[in-house]
Amino acid sequence: SYVLTQPPSVSVAPGETARITCGGNNIGSKSVHWYQQKPGQAPVLVMYYDSDRPSGIPERFSGSNSGNTATLTISRVDAGDEADYYCQVWDTSSDAWVFGGGTKLTVL
Amino acid sequence: EVQFLESGGGLVQPGGSLRLTCTASGFTFTTSAMSWVRQALGKGLEWVSDISVSGTTYYADSVKGRFTISRDNSRNVLYLQMNSLRVEDTSVYFCAKSSRVAGMDVWGQGMTVTVSS
Repeated sequence: SYVLTQPPSVSVAPGETARITCGGNNIGSKSVHWYQQKPGQAPVLVMYYDSDRPSGIPERFSGSNSGNTATLTISRVDAGDEADYYCQVWDTSSDAWVFGGGTKLTVL
Repeated sequence: EVQFLESGGGLVQPGGSLRLTCTASGFTFTTSAMSWVRQALGKGLEWVSDISVSGTTYYADSVKGRFTISRDNSRNVLYLQMNSLRVEDTSVYFCAKSSRVAGMDVWGQGMTVTVSS
């Protein structure tokens, strides 16, 4: 089955740029979606189709996807961005959604 | 406002059954694929099941043969029938509006299912 690999944690200072990666075999050929989840809350879609932002998501959030790595980039990070982030793809080989293991973003 | 009203979670013994219900409002349910996703305490998100607009169903290997997803388009309701429950099925279960291209853009608040003797 298809596997998505994320770093368990990423730490950045306020105002800096956070980059959260999602690795998968030839992931560049798939549509990658990203979710933000804060403690005790449901996930929120923050990026879809690799680099499209849903309405209401700040322009500070951007995405890219090429080769074996997709990346969610958060510019000018603030304390409100502290959360768990998950990448996701639909695996056509197994007809299943696959989530990455999640990355905890800490704002120092 | 786009939202879901979820019900049906609770405590059940191993081997027992539960039916989760998710009632949608604020969008055209009949033209939306739907998903169930779960999350064990302190763990990541795990996809459980999908149902397409036409009623085609998909399941994670961990629940195949035990869980059944269905929908009632006349009432805007999504169901998850869970049979032969195991301790490892203990999780918060979320319903979500789903699209292969656009992801899961609307989520319910989640409901807790606890499987324990």
